[in-house]
Amino acid sequence: SQQGEEDPQALSIQEGENATMNCSYKTSINNLQWYRQNSGRGLVHLILIRSNEREKHSGRLRVTLDTSKKSSSLLITASRAADTASYFCATDAVRETSGSRLTFGEGTQLTVNP
Amino acid sequence: GEEVAQTPKHLVRGEGQKAKLYCAPIKGHSYVFWYQQVLKNEFKFLISFQNENVFDETGMPKERFSAKCLPNSPCSLEIQATKLEDSAVYFCASSPRWKTSGVSYEQYFGPGTRLTVT
Repeated sequence: SQQGEEDPQALSIQEGENATMNCSYKTSINNLQWYRQNSGRGLVHLILIRSNEREKHSGRLRVTLDTSKKSSSLLITASRAADTASYFCATDAVRETSGSRLTFGEGTQLTVNP
Repeated sequence: GEEVAQTPKHLVRGEGQKAKLYCAPIKGHSYVFWYQQVLKNEFKFLISFQNENVFDETGMPKERFSAKCLPNSPCSLEIQATKLEDSAVYFCASSPRWKTSGVSYEQYFGPGTRLTVT
């Protein structure tokens, strides 16, 4: 089963508004990454935050990480219609072995209305 | 190349037939990962490679799934005797490095191959 859970599952906002998506996970992690997937396309990497970081910015994106609550949030400011996509968080768990998998959340479908 | 390439884009197979998917990682990337996406919102890790060596195969259904990454060839994922539940989009990703001192790096994803089993 998927480790990550994201909420909301779907979010619809007007252009110019901010969008906030949340992700929770269950195990200890090395880092957490956010990806975007446009309909029918592959995943595009947005931002990576390491377990010893609390906040990171990249352009209109702001990611926070709270390892005590095992949660992260992605904020997109001043949203645009082109931001319409599904957004996934993915975690790389601390493992005893050299396992390499990313574990994905279930995604938030963001719709930005012009 | 500068992007992960996957072929074919779409693949239709009758139940019981073999399916073979290909992935060319970004040049210079040593790590290749395969994921299966079912129903648009669930990604399942299948297998990873470090160059031509299997790195982590704990996600592979071993009875019918196999994968290879050979030198100077695209990586491949093969499904013998496909079943209806194998219908999914299969993504390949590559990474220049995986972990250094416990810190891992981003993975670059290809556009995926949509497999439909009828």
